[in-house]
Amino acid sequence: AQKITQTQPGMFVQEKEAVTLDCTYDTSDPSYGLFWYKQPSSGEMIFLIYQGSYDQQNATEGRYSLNFQKARKSANLVISASQLGDSAMYFCAMSVKAAGNKLTFGGGTRVLVKP
Amino acid sequence: NAGVMQNPRHLVRRRGQEARLRCSPMKGHSHVYWYRQLPEEGLKFMVYLQKENIIDESGMPKERFSAEFPKEGPSILRIQQVVRGDSAAYFCASSPPLAGGVTGELFFGEGSRLTVL
Repeated sequence: AQKITQTQPGMFVQEKEAVTLDCTYDTSDPSYGLFWYKQPSSGEMIFLIYQGSYDQQNATEGRYSLNFQKARKSANLVISASQLGDSAMYFCAMSVKAAGNKLTFGGGTRVLVKP
Repeated sequence: NAGVMQNPRHLVRRRGQEARLRCSPMKGHSHVYWYRQLPEEGLKFMVYLQKENIIDESGMPKERFSAEFPKEGPSILRIQQVVRGDSAAYFCASSPPLAGGVTGELFFGEGSRLTVL
């Protein structure tokens, strides 16, 4: 079975600073994908970034980057130059090849950006 | 380029009534997933369907819940005899047919929020 752990229930970050959201995972399947989603107060799930288990380089998408440390089974999300609109819940998720696209989600981290 | 469409966005039911939630996947997507999100929690997988087939229903409660994805029309998540504990946000996601690898993104709808009085 797969497991995703997000140990930070909530955090504050100053506008324009960077923030790192922690995510650790556990699976015995060698082929898997790691995802981060943002859920603002309006409730929709917004895809941010994806990392495949065989990808050699860390994924980046604009101000988002994924710090993938395979040996440690961690997939931390880094948001650079935080903006007020980044205030939201952030979820880490994983899929494994054996289970198709079925995602297992962590419990989420609430980020509040202070002006 | 319509995304995943869910309706209704908000649904209020009294205990014992039935709730039907609909999901139209993105064009070209043949795989549909339903997730449930309780307040202040992450999303929990419920069921994975392809057209006319349930592929994985390991997250579905054994009673009162059912899902279908007919050849024509949207996927439907049906909750019979709702109880207060069914109050949650129900998200649908879709993906194209899977390639050989692990795959990428699921495309989520905006969710249907069920309130049971």
